[in-house]
Amino acid sequence: QVQLVESGGGVVQPGRSLRLSCAASGFTFGNYGMHWVRQAPGKGLEWVAVIWHDGSNQYYGDSVKGRCTISRDNSKNTLYLQMNSLRVEDTAMYYCAREVTRPDYYYIDVWGKGTTVTVSS
Amino acid sequence: SSELTQDPAVSVALGQTVRITCQGHSLRSFYANWFQQRPGQAPVLVIYGKNNRPSGIPDRFSGSSSGDTASLTITGAQAEDEADYYCNSRDNSGIPYLFGTGTKVTVL
Repeated sequence: QVQLVESGGGVVQPGRSLRLSCAASGFTFGNYGMHWVRQAPGKGLEWVAVIWHDGSNQYYGDSVKGRCTISRDNSKNTLYLQMNSLRVEDTAMYYCAREVTRPDYYYIDVWGKGTTVTVSS
Repeated sequence: SSELTQDPAVSVALGQTVRITCQGHSLRSFYANWFQQRPGQAPVLVIYGKNNRPSGIPDRFSGSSSGDTASLTITGAQAEDEADYYCNSRDNSGIPYLFGTGTKVTVL
């Protein structure tokens, strides 16, 4: 079955770095755009970043632009999010998600269970 | 900046109908998708595109759109529909993807 499993979260001090991973299985990973979406405790969903199916384009939300890099290794069926200069406000559950692209619309259809990042001194 | 605005909370009596709205400029160009999120769980897609339900989503969920407002309607709400609901769309100005502010649905 289609599955996304995030890992790499943890507790980190402000200013440090962390790399999140998302292992995909059950589908042809290289055919899909992939997203990172986060949710701070008690807050709503916030879109973080997207990467095209072939890695040719990446886009970022304003709150992480310049500090985070999304990447993928289609040979390993894995999505990454490199997070640098972490801030307390980056504390959140981080989800990876798969995007379906159709001629008239786009939608996220599969989510992982998430990995928790806590930034604290 | 672009954004999608939802009412923070709505309530509905068991078996009745509730409509959740999502307003934003991007919805004039892109369809809204809708996600249900129960406490402690990852979001689940319930409506995508013009008005499509993924496999396994009950037909009491439906979507519609007019101008800059999209709506999710639950017809005959059940206890298990109590959750947070988020709209989402692409955008072609600034942030390319947007999530709504979220609506907490309480089933009475």
